[in-house]
Amino acid sequence: DAKTTQPPSMDCAEGRAANLPCNHSTISGNEYVYWYRQIHSQGPQYIIHGLKNNETNEMASLIITEDRKSSTLILPHATLRDTAVYYCISSWGGYQKVTFGTGTKLQVIP
Amino acid sequence: DTEVTQTPKHLVMGMTNKKSLKCEQHMGHRAMYWYKQKAKKPPELMFVYSYEKLSINESVPSRFSPECPNSSLLNLHLHALQPEDSALYLCASSQDHQAVYGYTFGSGTRLTVV
Repeated sequence: DAKTTQPPSMDCAEGRAANLPCNHSTISGNEYVYWYRQIHSQGPQYIIHGLKNNETNEMASLIITEDRKSSTLILPHATLRDTAVYYCISSWGGYQKVTFGTGTKLQVIP
Repeated sequence: DTEVTQTPKHLVMGMTNKKSLKCEQHMGHRAMYWYKQKAKKPPELMFVYSYEKLSINESVPSRFSPECPNSSLLNLHLHALQPEDSALYLCASSQDHQAVYGYTFGSGTRLTVV
């Protein structure tokens, strides 16, 4: 798995878009980018994943740069319930080992 | 059913006890995982089962013994643990070893070794 780098913490005002960056400069061509979040003392929750194209689902959008060396997770209208640690992971689809980095602690402020 | 269920949610055990953690999923996933998470740290992979066979053991001490009796069930048997083994133990599953569609995690078992 490629190593990922994320800022340790970020604040976001409630109702605003939260943009969480991730650097994965050593990602290989067949590695996906996954995003998970972990609300205090719960199991990680899958948010979204992508390979090359930008992706959107009901929870978030994922923007991947053309060179695939970085990506941004966008929560369009952050709520207090989005306060969590967000993990960016790059992993082969066919490899079973997923390594979590240190993640970004997002604090949504009223 | 789109959940991974872990029992018990909390467990306190002495260093001479034997206990087991249980994980169950009914999504037809054929890969299952155990992770260990210490406070304020990211989850760390312990074991991976693919099609009921152990495929990855991340050099975990033998006092942790995994078992996969069938495709829906994953156990973690604990024996002679140390206080430093106190942690949140997470189970996860994925459709198969490809895991292209991501992992589904349980809520974890909070283990305290006294």
